[in-house]
Amino acid sequence: DTAVSQTPKYLVTQMGNDKSIKCEQNLGHDTMYWYKQDSKKFLKIMFSYNNKELIINETVPNRFSPKSPDKAHLNLHINSLELGDSAVYFCASSQEQALSYEQYFGPGTRLTVT
Amino acid sequence: GIQVEQSPPDLILQEGANSTLRCNFSDSVNNLQWFHQNPWGQLINLFYIPSGTKQNGRLSATTVATERYSLLYISSSQTTDSGVYFCAVDHSGANSKLTFGKGITLSVRP
Repeated sequence: DTAVSQTPKYLVTQMGNDKSIKCEQNLGHDTMYWYKQDSKKFLKIMFSYNNKELIINETVPNRFSPKSPDKAHLNLHINSLELGDSAVYFCASSQEQALSYEQYFGPGTRLTVT
Repeated sequence: GIQVEQSPPDLILQEGANSTLRCNFSDSVNNLQWFHQNPWGQLINLFYIPSGTKQNGRLSATTVATERYSLLYISSSQTTDSGVYFCAVDHSGANSKLTFGKGITLSVRP
């Protein structure tokens, strides 16, 4: 029973291409997130959605566009990929309005731009 | 925004040894989590501990919210404990975003 899943696990693509990463959670949570881990392993929030509504957008280039078709899914589309986009992208989810704000992370998607 | 500092940055242990990892943060928190990132890159939830003490097997954690620090204890370390340990905090609670420390790289040698 995978709680937070991401596809694909690995993504290798060339500069200039457009790609998407998908995330699904089966925890019934109402908030989902995208985090980026750079080559120095530093993790930083990119976006969060609550009930399909964008809540946090942390100064991410416009080439990154999250989409939440329903509260169990949060996809990340990246246009015109650049070398600096190479990173591991983690999806996470949590339940707001609860006693616990614990976030649960997916397995990550390693994106390599050549 | 809130600042998170972890220490030490690197730690090398002999199998069977005990260790303490520290996380200092600059403001009050509604969320504090410890993660282990294994060599395959997976982020594994260890503890959700904005305050108090919890134990899970050989691992335990204590957060002293009033003094703005948290400690992760690893006892009888094993080679499978190797990896990077992250502390992450959030100040706001609802509509939260975790701010991560830079991590502590632990190597346990057989």
